[in-house]
Amino acid sequence: KAGVTQTPRYLIKTRGQQVTLSCSPISGHRSVSWYQQTPGQGLQFLFEYFSETQRNKGNFPGRFSGRQFSNSRSEMNVSTLELGDSALYLCASSLNSGANVLTFGAGSRLTVL
Amino acid sequence: GDSVTQMEGPVTLSEEAFLTINCTYTATGYPSLFWYVQYPGEGLQLLLKATKADDKGSNKGFEATYRKETTSFHLEKGSVQVSDSAVYFCALEGQGAQKLVFGQGTRLTINP
Repeated sequence: KAGVTQTPRYLIKTRGQQVTLSCSPISGHRSVSWYQQTPGQGLQFLFEYFSETQRNKGNFPGRFSGRQFSNSRSEMNVSTLELGDSALYLCASSLNSGANVLTFGAGSRLTVL
Repeated sequence: GDSVTQMEGPVTLSEEAFLTINCTYTATGYPSLFWYVQYPGEGLQLLLKATKADDKGSNKGFEATYRKETTSFHLEKGSVQVSDSAVYFCALEGQGAQKLVFGQGTRLTINP
């Protein structure tokens, strides 16, 4: 059974640009959550999507957005990139909404120059 | 709000040593508690969990007991191996049960 797949694995952008990250959950999983991991702030919850609806959102500015498609795949977008957005962005999926037993992908490492 | 505090790392031990990584939490009610592990270059993997007070989660020789009196969920292993070298994260199920709240992580290095 394939795991959670995130693309791209690595990317470099410059300040002011925007970026889109993709996440394919485990087959049959309907919930996708996104987390940002940085050395200073650790792991912070961005948002969760279930059945194409955002169920919960963390404390991030509006530049961070996401969506989920009917096949449960999810994308997150960061607009007007700032240096502080450099991080590992982790996607996690679960069968249903709720944090119980998340399966994480390997992450997308974003560097903003 | 909900929060998790882990012992600061890094922690360096010799193979076959006893491991304890402390974790305490602050939360409303009695949330489910988790330990996740992150190996180099990989995402997080669930190591073990406990859903109610006095529950003991266990996996791969690791154990943790949900102690509501001390609001703790310390991770233990009797004899560590080099392959246990990783970053360990304690987490709780946040309000609304739709997110995890993580501790800062503890980097563990096991020397042969």
